[in-house]
Amino acid sequence: DGGITQSPKYLFRKEGQNVTLSCEQNLNHDAMYWYRQDPGQGLRLIYYSQIVNDFQKGDIAEGYSVSREKKESFPLTVTSAQKNPTAFYLCASSRPGGSYGYTFGSGTRLTVV
Amino acid sequence: QKEVEQNSGPLSVPEGAIASLNCTYSDRGSQSFFWYRQYSGKSPELIMSIYSNGDKEDGRFTAQLNKASQYVSLLIRDSQPSDSATYLCAVSQAGTALIFGKGTTLSVSS
Repeated sequence: DGGITQSPKYLFRKEGQNVTLSCEQNLNHDAMYWYRQDPGQGLRLIYYSQIVNDFQKGDIAEGYSVSREKKESFPLTVTSAQKNPTAFYLCASSRPGGSYGYTFGSGTRLTVV
Repeated sequence: QKEVEQNSGPLSVPEGAIASLNCTYSDRGSQSFFWYRQYSGKSPELIMSIYSNGDKEDGRFTAQLNKASQYVSLLIRDSQPSDSATYLCAVSQAGTALIFGKGTTLSVSS
């Protein structure tokens, strides 16, 4: 079955440490997205990519980095520059333009310890 | 700053009643409108999409769009306890990423 796989489901980060969240899709979607969700909040856009080897910053890109070397993969690195990284991270994919809605992965819950 | 506004709730309805969720958006150029359902601790699930003015029905769900008023709503008929969740409204222009509201929490009591 096609879908989006995020790993790990839970991740713990020490202060000053970089961590990478994995997102893989086999839906043959061109576009992929990373959102962050805090308790009681909606989804805020971190980065998105409409095509391989190209990506754009979202509203809260500071302290994060991404790469899009393959159509299927869009990993997100949370760097030590992100001062408040504890959140629920959601990866999504869509057909070009996103006009058909997104398919979401199951999410990664990141906690700073 | 493009915004999508929703009442946070909670919206409480008895089982079998109609639940009405509302959403307004600021960008007049928006073209695509979506409703997602999110259970606690889970990822959002697409339940409705609407692209033109009027109503769109799918089972117990009806989405309504009024572009002149920049308003989109979701009606859930015959509400069930399993409908208890947070409902996220999302809006986009062509070629851009979805902008989400903060969500409305719905509680259906049996």
